[in-house]
Amino acid sequence: DAGVTQSPTHLIKTRGQHVTLRCSPISGHKSVSWYQQVLGQGPQFIFQYYEKEERGRGNFPDRFSARQFPNYSSELNVNALLLGDSALYLCASSPDRRGSPLHFGNGTRLTVT
Amino acid sequence: QQQVKQSPQSLIVQKGGISIINCAYENTAFDYFPWYQQFPGKGPALLIAIRPDVSEKKEGRFTISFNKSAKQFSLHIMDSQPGDSATYFCAASGGATNKLIFGTGTLLAVQP
Repeated sequence: DAGVTQSPTHLIKTRGQHVTLRCSPISGHKSVSWYQQVLGQGPQFIFQYYEKEERGRGNFPDRFSARQFPNYSSELNVNALLLGDSALYLCASSPDRRGSPLHFGNGTRLTVT
Repeated sequence: QQQVKQSPQSLIVQKGGISIINCAYENTAFDYFPWYQQFPGKGPALLIAIRPDVSEKKEGRFTISFNKSAKQFSLHIMDSQPGDSATYFCAASGGATNKLIFGTGTLLAVQP
């Protein structure tokens, strides 16, 4: 079975630009979550989507937005990029809204110059 | 109250030894405590997880010990191998979502 897949794997953007990151969950998983991992730190929660609705949001500015599609795949959008947005962006999927393990993809490495 | 504190920051163990990583939490609403292993350039991979109704869970060489009254839990890696060299994260969640609060990570190096 395919795991969580994310695209692209690497991305270089300039300050002020916007970026869209994509995630396909494990087949049968209805919940997708996004995390930001800065080098040397643990992942930080950004969003959880379940059944196409936002179910949780972390302490991130409104420049960060996401959505989930009918096939349960998801996009993370970041506008007006800042140097500090450089990080590994991880997508995780789980079968349910809560109470089930999260399985992570290998992430998208975003570099903002 | 949302923090999960993890120690040590780094750990060097000889092959065949026991690696021990500790975590502590404050939020008593947490009811799920997983451990993740992360290799460079990869996403975190779920190793083992525990819920507060048990004090210990073992899967192969990996054991979680859980102390509900002290609000602490730890990962023990028995017979540590060089292939176990990675960064380990503890995490916790509870409430209406799957939101995980991660510790700061432990970089484990197992010397041959």
